[in-house]
Amino acid sequence: QQQVKQSPQSLIVQKGGISIINCAYENTAFDYFPWYQQFPGKGPALLIAIRPDVSEKKEGRFTISFNKSAKQFSLHIMDSQPGDSATYFCAASMGRDNYGQNFVFGPGTRLSVLP
Amino acid sequence: NAGVTQTPKFRILKIGQSMTLQCAQDMNHNYMYWYRQDPGMGLKLIYYSVGAGITDKGEVPNGYNVSRSTTEDFPLRLELAAPSQTSVYFCASSSRGGGYTFGSGTRLTVV
Repeated sequence: QQQVKQSPQSLIVQKGGISIINCAYENTAFDYFPWYQQFPGKGPALLIAIRPDVSEKKEGRFTISFNKSAKQFSLHIMDSQPGDSATYFCAASMGRDNYGQNFVFGPGTRLSVLP
Repeated sequence: NAGVTQTPKFRILKIGQSMTLQCAQDMNHNYMYWYRQDPGMGLKLIYYSVGAGITDKGEVPNGYNVSRSTTEDFPLRLELAAPSQTSVYFCASSSRGGGYTFGSGTRLTVV
């Protein structure tokens, strides 16, 4: 019940296209859903996050869509650029005590944006 | 404005050797974490700490030890290194209920 499933495992998109990465969770106690971006040789960095009281959050070209009833959330990257090529991790955490088993990462999606 | 600092960045160990991976944060975060990331894989939690003097095991603690004597520092000790411990190790920290800030990682090879 603590798992977060993520798909696809890898994604290739043409420059200017839309990249979509999907995540699903089981535990309805999760209440914070961040996305992390990791470039090769670097640590993951927080990209954007959402709480379940809203269905969508947009920051520049990055949008999280959240479907509470389906227990799914997704990351959309509009006008994808080669500089967006990275591994993306979704995550889910539970309340203010977001540590240990209460913070779960998805397995990651490797995005390649072709020039 | 350093965030989370990890040292060393790279290390090669021989089987059976020991070493300590250092992690320090300057954000006054109570929570700190150690993850390992194998090639093409996700993040696996090794140990975490919710404050000075308090540590607990994560998903893959075998072969590792931690201590947390100060809020700032959270070193990870590898005893009797094995090839299975070849990985990239990330330290992270967070405030209560906040997002995680990761260090830049330590790439460890055990030969």
